[in-house]
Amino acid sequence: GAVVSQHPSWVICKSGTSVKIECRSLDFQATTMFWYRQFPKQSLMLMATSNEGSKATYEQGVEKDKFLINHASLTLSTLTVTSAHPEDSSFYICSAPQRNTDTQYFGPGTRLTVL
Amino acid sequence: SQQGEEDPQALSIQEGENATMNCSYKTSINNLQWYRQNSGRGLVHLILIRSNEREKHSGRLRVTLDTSKKSSSLLITASRAADTASYFCATSYSGGGADGLTFGKGTHLIIQP
Repeated sequence: GAVVSQHPSWVICKSGTSVKIECRSLDFQATTMFWYRQFPKQSLMLMATSNEGSKATYEQGVEKDKFLINHASLTLSTLTVTSAHPEDSSFYICSAPQRNTDTQYFGPGTRLTVL
Repeated sequence: SQQGEEDPQALSIQEGENATMNCSYKTSINNLQWYRQNSGRGLVHLILIRSNEREKHSGRLRVTLDTSKKSSSLLITASRAADTASYFCATSYSGGGADGLTFGKGTHLIIQP
């Protein structure tokens, strides 16, 4: 099946710094990718939709200036958590739908810990 | 996006028994998907059922969908220790990968050896 990768798999940073997370579709092109956040023992919550060649669309309650999304190419989307704080510590997961299918392929996730 | 409910939230059964998990959702959908997540890892896609389908099978998995009740169930037959994981249903309103998925709260399944 289709493969989606994320980098890094985990990151620890100091409060106030910015962290960039990459999401790549390895064997297919994705004009749209999705970013989710998952807090411990909770479900996944959709944060935003990343659109190649246009601005990302954010879910209600997600600050677009804090979570910067750039869909640089048909295989790469990046999520930058700016001025990270401990409450941003979470598991961030991206997904990409393969064209003309309903199935979304998820990356392995990035665990962010902000000290 | 509003999350659906899943029950039970946790389920512990003996190896070899069948496990049933239920999921309810709130809006009309194009399709519903079930995913498995091992602790601290990414999601593995299990099965997708479209709104015009009522039942689907894949190996030891059986999924049903009742759009009138806005509910779905996942049955895992002859469970194995390796099935221990969290299971989530996720719904798509538009289909075709056009929208992000709305996830249920999940069921944590433990298979006792």
